[in-house]
Amino acid sequence: DQQVKQNSPSLSVQEGRISILNCDYTNSMFDYFLWYKKYPAEGPTFLISISSIKDKNEDGRFTVFLNKSAKHLSLHIVPSQPGDSAVYFCAVHFGNQFYFGTGTSLTVIP
Amino acid sequence: DGGITQSPKYLFRKEGQNVTLSCEQNLNHDAMYWYRQDPGQGLRLIYYSQIVNDFQKGDIAEGYSVSREKKESFPLTVTSAQKNPTAFYLCASTGQGGYNEQFFGPGTRLTVL
Repeated sequence: DQQVKQNSPSLSVQEGRISILNCDYTNSMFDYFLWYKKYPAEGPTFLISISSIKDKNEDGRFTVFLNKSAKHLSLHIVPSQPGDSAVYFCAVHFGNQFYFGTGTSLTVIP
Repeated sequence: DGGITQSPKYLFRKEGQNVTLSCEQNLNHDAMYWYRQDPGQGLRLIYYSQIVNDFQKGDIAEGYSVSREKKESFPLTVTSAQKNPTAFYLCASTGQGGYNEQFFGPGTRLTVL
């Protein structure tokens, strides 16, 4: 059973606008969340993370929001750039394992 | 430069042959992981190792084997028992203690003909 879900397989956004990628999780015990970016035929690269003691973490154009009551996190990219076009995975670090969502393919249109 | 290397980038094998994928890291990380990526299915955990000479099965370990004889190395063998071995394989590592992100290698694309 999928512990981390990304229900939108794809998203298209105009350059300069905001991209919002969403992720839901099932276990309320999860307490450390990460976002990764992946280009085709390459390994994922770490973008940003958040622990459950926070509800927001910001790093440049990237902001992650955590809503613990809804078991939902989101990644905001503002402003979106064509180089942001990639697959984005949300993940949870729990115990000795990481659990990944199925990914959302973001296309930023110039 | 610290990082994770996987070789080769592309690998072709005939059906029924075992094949070993290499993963080396110089990050001094204790924990190492193998994932498989298929289209639309995200990353699925095959095996992981928290320490040398010890490893655990992940969600899809059947048809795979690993060894962890050195801290830096975590090779994955895809055996002939794996029913659908064609996939993109990713190796990762992470430091111990507290919360850490995983660092990934560039991946190996295995195609079984």
